[in-house]
Amino acid sequence: GQNIDQPTEMTATEGAIVQINCTYQTSGFNGLFWYQQHAGEAPTFLSYNVLDGLEEKGRFSSFLSRSKGYSYLLLKELQMKDSASYLCAVLDSNYQLIWGAGTKLIIKP
Amino acid sequence: GAVVSQHPSWVICKSGTSVKIECRSLDFQATTMFWYRQFPKQSLMLMATSNEGSKATYEQGVEKDKFLINHASLTLSTLTVTSAHPEDSSFYICSANRDREAGELFFGEGSRLTVL
Repeated sequence: GQNIDQPTEMTATEGAIVQINCTYQTSGFNGLFWYQQHAGEAPTFLSYNVLDGLEEKGRFSSFLSRSKGYSYLLLKELQMKDSASYLCAVLDSNYQLIWGAGTKLIIKP
Repeated sequence: GAVVSQHPSWVICKSGTSVKIECRSLDFQATTMFWYRQFPKQSLMLMATSNEGSKATYEQGVEKDKFLINHASLTLSTLTVTSAHPEDSSFYICSANRDREAGELFFGEGSRLTVL
């Protein structure tokens, strides 16, 4: 079966750095996405990785290792507005998006 | 970026009535749209994939007669919750992609349904 694992909840301090991990086992791989979702709102796109390595975009970076079936989302200089759920999703061989359950990130002052 | 609009944002209805939710891609043609349901503190659950001009593909466990999906044009898909019950109360979100192989989804704002 297809499976995506990410921690249920994480807590971090404002101004700090946090890394949210995602491991996946899917039938084929055509890319991995990270989405941010604030409570009561629709998800918004953060990043896309299809090749191994680190993609940096401002305060957010995303890393992928295809051989390990592993990705992480790195958030730097945390702000209170970063409190949200972060969803990892993998595009499988049929170009279907397989979703993780999401990681709820709580930022404390 | 691409824009997907969903309407209504909030709807409250009585048990037994039907509710229609619209999803429109405003600046691109979406051959495929996706409908999700999300219960509080849970992740998105794909309900069905809506293809323009053909029948929707429903995920296992989703009743096709209860959740009617119509994708009449390349910019509009509708979800009708028929004979709604309180357990259907949820956050319903649609999304669309411009390019099947690109995978990036553009989401509507979501519709919160409360069935009394």
